[in-house]
Amino acid sequence: SAVISQKPSRDICQRGTSLTIQCQVDSQVTMMFWYRQQPGQSLTLIATANQGSEATYESGFVIDKFPISRPNLTFSTLTVSNMSPEDSSIYLCSQVWNNEQFFGPGTRLTVL
Amino acid sequence: AQTVTQSQPEMSVQEAETVTLSCTYDTSENNYYLFWYKQPPSRQMILVIRQEAYKQQNATENRFSVNFQKAAKSFSLKISDSQLGDTAMYFCAFRRSGNTGKLIFGQGTTLQVKP
Repeated sequence: SAVISQKPSRDICQRGTSLTIQCQVDSQVTMMFWYRQQPGQSLTLIATANQGSEATYESGFVIDKFPISRPNLTFSTLTVSNMSPEDSSIYLCSQVWNNEQFFGPGTRLTVL
Repeated sequence: AQTVTQSQPEMSVQEAETVTLSCTYDTSENNYYLFWYKQPPSRQMILVIRQEAYKQQNATENRFSVNFQKAAKSFSLKISDSQLGDTAMYFCAFRRSGNTGKLIFGQGTTLQVKP
């Protein structure tokens, strides 16, 4: 199975600030994925992070709010910009390996 | 657009008994994957079982098995000999075939296993 790590595991931030979440995977993959899980809700895909090109965003998510970097095949970052309390969620990194989809441990973000 | 529906927000079962979690989905695709994920309080998403739509045989992983009814677009999860460690939120998820990591999740079912 794939091993995915994320940093930080949790953070409490003030509104108007930004937080960058890091994701490291143990195998080289073309695509990495960022999901959001709002409190008490299911998971929703934010964007696909492609190595060597811009990320592909899902409907309702924009690059200015959630800029993504993908400098190499095992690492990606997601920034949550100009945060508001509505951004309080768990953010999860994911990869597909052998047709199975694995998730990182998540970053629990609380915005005050 | 694909949708996934889990109609049971909460369920409970006695330890050692069997419980079935329901999931229905809607898609016009013929080839796809279906998954059940478990999310305990630690919030780690754990893959429980996977089913390829082209396979008629129901997937089984130890105490976990599915009842996949493609025509009815139904994908239920049966947990046998329930254990306290099975207490978690369970999510049903759909993914199109091909090189994509976009999962469509259901709303989730909270399962409580009682001693």
